[in-house]
Amino acid sequence: NAGVTQTPKFRILKIGQSMTLQCTQDMNHNYMYWYRQDPGMGLKLIYYSVGAGITDKGEVPNGYNVSRSTTEDFPLRLELAAPSQTSVYFCASSYGDLTNTEAFFGQGTRLTVV
Amino acid sequence: EDQVTQSPEALRLQEGESSSLNCSYTVSGLRGLFWYRQDPGKGPEFLFTLYSAGEEKEKERLKATLTKKESFLHITAPKPEDSATYLCAVHSRNYGGSQGNLIFGKGTKLSVKP
Repeated sequence: NAGVTQTPKFRILKIGQSMTLQCTQDMNHNYMYWYRQDPGMGLKLIYYSVGAGITDKGEVPNGYNVSRSTTEDFPLRLELAAPSQTSVYFCASSYGDLTNTEAFFGQGTRLTVV
Repeated sequence: EDQVTQSPEALRLQEGESSSLNCSYTVSGLRGLFWYRQDPGKGPEFLFTLYSAGEEKEKERLKATLTKKESFLHITAPKPEDSATYLCAVHSRNYGGSQGNLIFGKGTKLSVKP
């Protein structure tokens, strides 16, 4: 199994540009998450989804949007890129609630906004 | 406020030199404490989940323990391949949406020299 797959692995954006970070999982997991990881900081939750058609904000949702039209895919959209969005983005999935199941992470997307 | 603090930030060991990593937490109603391993340029990889004080789990050279205020990750006779950043996270009902989510610490970067 491929697990959680993120594309692209690296991207450089100019201020004001838009892009979509892709995430797909082949484990039939209901829950999916987007985190960002800044140097020297813990992972911060951006958005999450408990199933197709259902999304909710995490700790740092401003400047991002998500959708969940299928169980497999959970894309993250940046509409107007800002330097503060330079980070490494991780997508994750879990079978159920994280109180009793583990999260599986993708390899990450390193985004630089200049 | 719920939070997770890991210490030390970095730890350098000689091969075979046992040591412990600390994760102290403040959370209202612990619903799970998680340890992850993260290699450079990769996403976090799940190691352990602990649910109640006194619980212990082992995997190869790693043993995780839990008290009411902290968790330890003990590394016995480490090898160079154990070099990684170790992340601690707790599930908080007060964070990241109506169902709660994981709060991550900043991690401990472990280097094991041959």
